[in-house]
Formats: sequence, C-alpha cells, structure tokens
Amino acid sequence: DAGITQSPRYKITETGRQVTLMCHQTWSHSYMFWYRQDLGHGLRLIYYSAAADITDKGEVPDGYVVSRSKTENFPLTLESATRSQTSVYFCASSEQGGYNSPLHFGNGTRLTVT
Amino acid sequence: AQSVTQLGSHVSVSEGALVLLRCNYSSSVPPYLFWYVQYPNQGLQLLLKYTTGATLVKGINGFEAEFKKSETSFHLTKPSAHMSDAAEYFCAVNQDSGGGADGLTFGKGTHLIIQP
Repeated sequence: DAGITQSPRYKITETGRQVTLMCHQTWSHSYMFWYRQDLGHGLRLIYYSAAADITDKGEVPDGYVVSRSKTENFPLTLESATRSQTSVYFCASSEQGGYNSPLHFGNGTRLTVT
Repeated sequence: AQSVTQLGSHVSVSEGALVLLRCNYSSSVPPYLFWYVQYPNQGLQLLLKYTTGATLVKGINGFEAEFKKSETSFHLTKPSAHMSDAAEYFCAVNQDSGGGADGLTFGKGTHLIIQP
C-alpha cells in the first residue's frame, strides 16, 4: 500500500548508544521532514529535506543526523542517545513543501532512552 | 519567526455541543494556516488549511475555521460534537514567510474531550 512507514514503532535504548529511526514513503514526494513530539511542546522540526542529497536543520537539530540518498528514504540517527531525546518521532512527507501541499505523517516511533 | 498559540491544552464539551478550539498566530507577513488532528497512536492528518481567498475554510468531518486578520486568529469550530471527534488538535503556520520547504511550526496542541 502507498503511504509513509516508520520503523520501528517502539524502541528502547541506553544512553550513549547510536540508534537509527527509519522512514520510507511510496509517493515519491520531494520533501520529507522529521519532527519530535513532547508533552507541552507540541511538534518541533528536527531536520527536513527538499530532495535527495539536500537536507537542512530545523528548530532542534542538535544530537541528530539525517541522510537522504534516495527520494523514498529519510533515516534519522541519534549518534549518542541521551535521556532528553526520549520522545515520539514523526516522519512526514509533502509533494511540494511549505504551504502548497499538506504534510502526510507516519504513525510515529516512540523512543525511550534509559 | 512565525508562531501559533493555542489557548487551552484541554477542552471538554458534551456530545452534540459546539466545539471551539482557539488559535492565534504571530506573523509579520500574511500567513498560511492549518489545522491537523491526531488520533491516539497515529500520526497527524490535515483537517483544513487557509492559504488565500475565502476567509471561512471548510474541512473534513464537519470542521471549519475562520481566518480573522484583525484578531490574528484562526479558530476551529464544529457545530455539533461527536464522540469520534475526541483527539488532539494542532494549529500550524508555515515557517518560511516565502512558503518554502521549511515545514510547518505547530502549536502545542489542544486535547478535545467529548463527554456523553
């Protein structure tokens, strides 16, 4: 089925470990985004990408790394996980970006850092 | 930077009553505004959006919102609440005043509770 898929849905990791969250979309949308959702903060943009091999920082990029070698994939890596990175992470895609077309969200990855 | 403020982290209404969720924006240029809904354990879905043109915007599931420039508001309403409307609602504004690919800035969300 077409859509946007995030994996894993749930992840528990230890402080200091590297962890990668996967995001895959089948629409061939140009734009992809990573948000984190925290109680009291709503959603905050971590990184976004306008096309393959083009990425840029959002509001809260520290401690995260992204890559986009293929249009359909946009993995998010926590190089050395910290407890403050415990959150729900959402990947989204958009055909045109900005206000021109809506964001389509995955179902999220709930990450716990112990 | 553009931002939105949602008034009330929790709103409780009775089934069949009017739903009113408040959103005020801060923008130095005409904004593009959105309402998204999030059901439990799911991602966000677009309810409606305002870009240009008519200030009253109709969305899915009977929701609508009115853009009021004089009040810098974009409140979400529904005449009659249904149990299935219980969810988290987010107001959002485009981050880039030029409408570029910077994504959206979201409010902190309002949890809508429907009482039977």
